[in-house]
Amino acid sequence: AQKVTQAQTEISVVEKEDVTLDCVYETRDTTYYLFWYKQPPSGELVFLIRRNSFDEQNEISGRYSWNFQKSTSSFNFTITASQVVDSAVYFCALSEARGFSGGYNKLIFGAGTRLAVHP
Amino acid sequence: ETGVTQTPRHLVMGMTNKKSLKCEQHLGHNAMYWYKQSAKKPLELMFVYNFKEQTENNSVPSRFSPECPNSSHLFLHLHTLQPEDSALYLCASSQGFSGTGNTEAFFGQGTRLTVV
Repeated sequence: AQKVTQAQTEISVVEKEDVTLDCVYETRDTTYYLFWYKQPPSGELVFLIRRNSFDEQNEISGRYSWNFQKSTSSFNFTITASQVVDSAVYFCALSEARGFSGGYNKLIFGAGTRLAVHP
Repeated sequence: ETGVTQTPRHLVMGMTNKKSLKCEQHLGHNAMYWYKQSAKKPLELMFVYNFKEQTENNSVPSRFSPECPNSSHLFLHLHTLQPEDSALYLCASSQGFSGTGNTEAFFGQGTRLTVV
């Protein structure tokens, strides 16, 4: 069965600190996809990144970076020089591959990590 | 307009009421989803519609009844709910399988439902 574990329930940091959010996943599929979403207080989930299982390159986007380690089944997310606007709940998610006939995306979410960045 | 729009944003209903949640996506996607987010559980997938056909029902009680009249609109009809059904209900859409693999789902802001 597929499963996503985000062991950190809440993290509190002071502005400008670096913070890493952990994500560990389980799947029997050889092809799968990993995602990170941000949920600000307004409620909607904002897409941050998608990574497929064949691409283990790390990615950097501004202050955000992601470290995908297939050997440890982890897909960790680091925010560098955190800001108050980064305060939100962050979700890691996993989905299996679907067929070629225009499939859909059955996301399995972790429990989320609530990040509080204080001035 | 935003990509995925949900109405109403907040809803309070009694256990004997019937109400409906509405979702509309302006992204041209083929798949639409209902997720439930309650205080003590991770986000749970409820239903998936792909090209207007229901493809997933994640053992959801029959007091929740989805409807997808076309690829842009999704409804969740509610009747005789229980207080434990109080939650944030999120709608999402996605383009489905692309040449580079599963595409990301885009979410609405959700409907905060309280059952009294």
